[in-house]
Amino acid sequence: DVKVTQSSRYLVKRTGEKVFLECVQDMDHENMFWYRQDPGLGLRLIYFSYDVKMKEKGDIPEGYSVSREKKERFSLILESASTNQTSMYLCASSDREGHLIYGYTFGSGTRLTVV
Amino acid sequence: KQEVTQIPAALSVPEGENLVLNCSFTDSAIYNLQWFRQDPGKGLTSLLLIQSSQREQTSGRLNASLDKSSGRSTLYIAASQPGDSATYLCAGFSGGYQKVTFGTGTKLQVIP
Repeated sequence: DVKVTQSSRYLVKRTGEKVFLECVQDMDHENMFWYRQDPGLGLRLIYFSYDVKMKEKGDIPEGYSVSREKKERFSLILESASTNQTSMYLCASSDREGHLIYGYTFGSGTRLTVV
Repeated sequence: KQEVTQIPAALSVPEGENLVLNCSFTDSAIYNLQWFRQDPGKGLTSLLLIQSSQREQTSGRLNASLDKSSGRSTLYIAASQPGDSATYLCAGFSGGYQKVTFGTGTKLQVIP
């Protein structure tokens, strides 16, 4: 089974801090994704990557950046954390057929609180 | 734009009951549909992935079907157990990387 591992389950950071969320997958998947999940808003795509060093903005990229230096690792960076970035962050990976995504495998999530 | 709806938003059933969760979508170009469960404070666990050519997938007490013509997928849970209590989400895949749409989920409670 594919495993997607997020480095932290819970994080508490201060406003203005630079925050790194790490995600590692072990099945050689080309695609990796970062979502945030908020009550009443569901899952929203922040960024995704379809190859090493490649990244694309999702629906809500403002205030975030990403890094993919190795195929198995996809990092989400909050350049200057703000309270409205308090959320559950979910990383996912997927295989693909051409440009189509086959299906998602999610990590266990990181609950980030910005105070 | 694809819309995915899950009704009801919450469901409470006694243990042992068979139940059906519904997922409706608007884009018939959907090629995969995936069902997940999510426990409180945790990530999404994949339950079943149905490709449009397959129409149905089964895993243990779970059976999921996909009917593109009616824009509907159902997740059938047989002989429900308290451990099935969770939020169930469906996701429709209808294009490239940004055309994956999640439903808002059905929160299931199975009462012992």
